[in-house]
Amino acid sequence: AQSVTQLDSQVPVFEEAPVELRCNYSSSVSVYLFWYVQYPNQGLQLLLKYLSGSTLVKGINGFEAEFNKSQTSFHLRKPSVHISDTAEYFCAVKTPAGGSYIPTFGRGTSLIVHP
Amino acid sequence: DAGITQSPRHKVTETGTPVTLRCHQTENHRYMYWYRQDPGHGLRLIHYSYGVKDTDKGEVSDGYSVSRSKTEDFLLTLESATSSQTSVYFCAISEKGGEYNEQFFGPGTRLTVL
Repeated sequence: AQSVTQLDSQVPVFEEAPVELRCNYSSSVSVYLFWYVQYPNQGLQLLLKYLSGSTLVKGINGFEAEFNKSQTSFHLRKPSVHISDTAEYFCAVKTPAGGSYIPTFGRGTSLIVHP
Repeated sequence: DAGITQSPRHKVTETGTPVTLRCHQTENHRYMYWYRQDPGHGLRLIHYSYGVKDTDKGEVSDGYSVSRSKTEDFLLTLESATSSQTSVYFCAISEKGGEYNEQFFGPGTRLTVL
């Protein structure tokens, strides 16, 4: 079974500093990777996704992620964060396990941006 | 925003009572999902549906049942609620079930079982 590990449950950072949220997955087959963001008291919304092609993926709100097959990672980065980026971030992976592409989610990383 | 609504948005109930949560979509998407979100556990899949009357279990399906009689509605039922089912429940939809399609999430239902 596939699994997703988000290595940090909480990441505090000061405004305008860079940030990296880490995500590792366990799968030896083709993977399709997603990052979602959840603002307080809301549902999740898609930040970006990697399906194929360039390993550097750009998303909304200035976020980007890099797919690294050898390290089975898909870390999320932003060069300069804002207070409004304070939210919960979830990494998700899809594989064709059993003919199904049901995504598996990580446990989430809480990004806390301080002024 | 994808047209997904969940009802009720908040509910407090007592142990042993039945509870039904409703997810309604206006996108005509084929796939619908129910997740629960708990601190330290992230999102865990309860059940999903790949078409009208077609459903399957997720990783935490015990104590839950679902029904989908129309494309737009996906119901989650707790037959006899327990305190361990206190959680925030999210419905999600996707146009297809393949690798390319992302999910769109509803606003969530906060359920408290006393």
